Amino acid sequence: EADIYQTPRYLVIGTGKKITLECSQTMGHDKMYWYQQDPGMELHLIHYSYGVNSTEKGDLSSESTVSRIRTEHFPLTLESARPSHTSQYLCASRLDGDYGYTFGSGTRLTVV
Amino acid sequence: GQSLEQPSEVTAVEGAIVQINCTYQTSGFYGLSWYQQHDGGAPTFLSYNALDGLEETGRFSSFLSRSDSYGYLLLQELQMKDSASYFCAVRSQGGKLIFGQGTELSVKP
Repeated sequence: EADIYQTPRYLVIGTGKKITLECSQTMGHDKMYWYQQDPGMELHLIHYSYGVNSTEKGDLSSESTVSRIRTEHFPLTLESARPSHTSQYLCASRLDGDYGYTFGSGTRLTVV
Repeated sequence: GQSLEQPSEVTAVEGAIVQINCTYQTSGFYGLSWYQQHDGGAPTFLSYNALDGLEETGRFSSFLSRSDSYGYLLLQELQMKDSASYFCAVRSQGGKLIFGQGTELSVKP
């Protein structure tokens, strides 16, 4: 069973609200990632981190921000949610030298 | 640009063998991974090929030909629980993964 947790699992929120999606892992992985996935589509990398105080933007432009103050925690924040942000957000981690990512179950966000 | 191509859907019967192909065009290639995803849940890592050839893990095998920018996932002795989406993903610089659009596999009785 994956030791990476995302909360909330589902979220419906109004336009303009600020939200933070939580992601925590207990495996001591140094590398963490956020992907965005629309139903039936590919995963797009929006942010990644190679360790504490290291964050980078991914290949897909995103209006979200991330932080990495602790190894185990990698939250994603949307300052002002819009309907275009409606999607599933998947968090993943891996240990340096490993090839496989461990994914969380995702947060399905709906902005109305 | 970067692109990965895989069939959108494949159907097979229980007990059969199915092959899911993936061709890629990326700037920087370090290996090809495969992931399984059930009903939009957490993708699960299946295999990784960094070098040409076949890697076998139980009922699943994965193949890579770097000269052809091509790989495939082979699933044998199909079971109903294998019905899922399968994604190929290129490992690019820094260990980042670039995913294909996924192949939805339906296994029929």
